[in-house]
Amino acid sequence: EADIYQTPRYLVIGTGKKITLECSQTMGHDKMYWYQQDPGMELHLIHYSYGVNSTEKGDLSSESTVSRIRTEHFPLTLESARPSHTSQYLCASSVFAGGGDEQFFGPGTRLTVL
Amino acid sequence: AQSVAQPEDQVNVAEGNPLTVKCTYSVSGNPYLFWYVQYPNRGLQFLLKYITGDNLVKGSYGFEAEFNKSQTSFHLKKPSALVSDSALYFCAVRGGNDYKLSFGAGTTVTVRA
Repeated sequence: EADIYQTPRYLVIGTGKKITLECSQTMGHDKMYWYQQDPGMELHLIHYSYGVNSTEKGDLSSESTVSRIRTEHFPLTLESARPSHTSQYLCASSVFAGGGDEQFFGPGTRLTVL
Repeated sequence: AQSVAQPEDQVNVAEGNPLTVKCTYSVSGNPYLFWYVQYPNRGLQFLLKYITGDNLVKGSYGFEAEFNKSQTSFHLKKPSALVSDSALYFCAVRGGNDYKLSFGAGTTVTVRA
């Protein structure tokens, strides 16, 4: 079944830890995105990728980094987590369709940094 | 720069009544417009989109939206709301060759039984 997966769904960690949030999609989409969303608030784009070996920073400055070594995989890494990183992180993907393509979202990872 | 405004933080309606969630946008060139819904502790689900053609777009779960170019609006509507429609709704726009979506701040819909 074509879908987009995120793991873990929930993560509670201490300050200074290195973490990687996983995102995988089985739809063969070229474009992938990471958004940060505080509960019940708007989405902010933090990273996106147009394809393998392509990564760009989004509109919201973030201390996280991403990589795109395989089409289906777009992990996000925080080298040293801080309480200000506490938020929900949503991964999305879309097919290249001239601009009218909708994004498909994963279930999100809710991160709490103590 | 492109942007989206959802002027209402909250919309409250009784079950069975019509539901409208407002959205206006600003973009260079022709807009691509989207509506998404988010249930608690979930990702966003795509509802419908406008690319070109008929100004009235029909989507999932009985929702529809009307594109109005002169008013730069894309309001989401449902003729008869259900309690299960209670959720957070986001309008989004993409303009021209920009592949990034700009989201509105969201509108919380509460449908009371």
